[in-house]
Amino acid sequence: EVQLVESGGGLVQPGRSLRLSCAASGFTFDDYAMHWVRQAPGKGLEWVSGISWNSGSIGYADSVKGRFTISRDNAKNSLYLQMNSLRAEDTALYYCAKGVMVVSPPDYFDYWGQGTLVTVSS
Amino acid sequence: EIVLTQSPGTLSLSPGERATLSCRASQSVSSSYLAWYQQKPGQAPRLLIYGASSRATGIPDRFSGSGSGTDFTLTISRLEPEDFAVYYCQQYGSSGTFGQGTKVEIK
Repeated sequence: EVQLVESGGGLVQPGRSLRLSCAASGFTFDDYAMHWVRQAPGKGLEWVSGISWNSGSIGYADSVKGRFTISRDNAKNSLYLQMNSLRAEDTALYYCAKGVMVVSPPDYFDYWGQGTLVTVSS
Repeated sequence: EIVLTQSPGTLSLSPGERATLSCRASQSVSSSYLAWYQQKPGQAPRLLIYGASSRATGIPDRFSGSGSGTDFTLTISRLEPEDFAVYYCQQYGSSGTFGQGTKVEIK
């Protein structure tokens, strides 16, 4: 059974940093691209960032480019999102999602975690 | 960036009725790289349809997708009680933008 478990969310002040993690199991992690998708409270879905299986291809939404960095550790079956210079508008539930496409990003997502909540507020 | 516009915003229907949800793109979606997701309150999204018309694993055949270019449709042939939820389309031909969602609610 595929499982994606996010962690690392919390309350943080504007301008500060936070690092999210996603622990994956139930599939061959290093065969697939992985992504972060977020959802602000009461709002829709927004793709944030994606990374190919070998970290050779990485993409970011314009809204986070230059502030967020995605990475992965295939030996640990883990995905990360380093978030710097956080803003109030980054407040959201952050989902880890498994990609499907051979060439990714862009991609669609067949498995999702339950999300970790990031709140940016003073 | 391709913008996806979903309509209607809310669809009020009764169990057993047919639901037709629309997703229109601001420019052509390459290779019909269009997916649909269902999201229930407090849950993560679930993949329903990919490639505009292919059902994901385990998705009942009452869900069907169609369309190409800039116009796509998700049809639920007969609504079951568990189908009342929010539905999102997503294009993955260029970046990965989502529509704003359509809420299917019980009439």
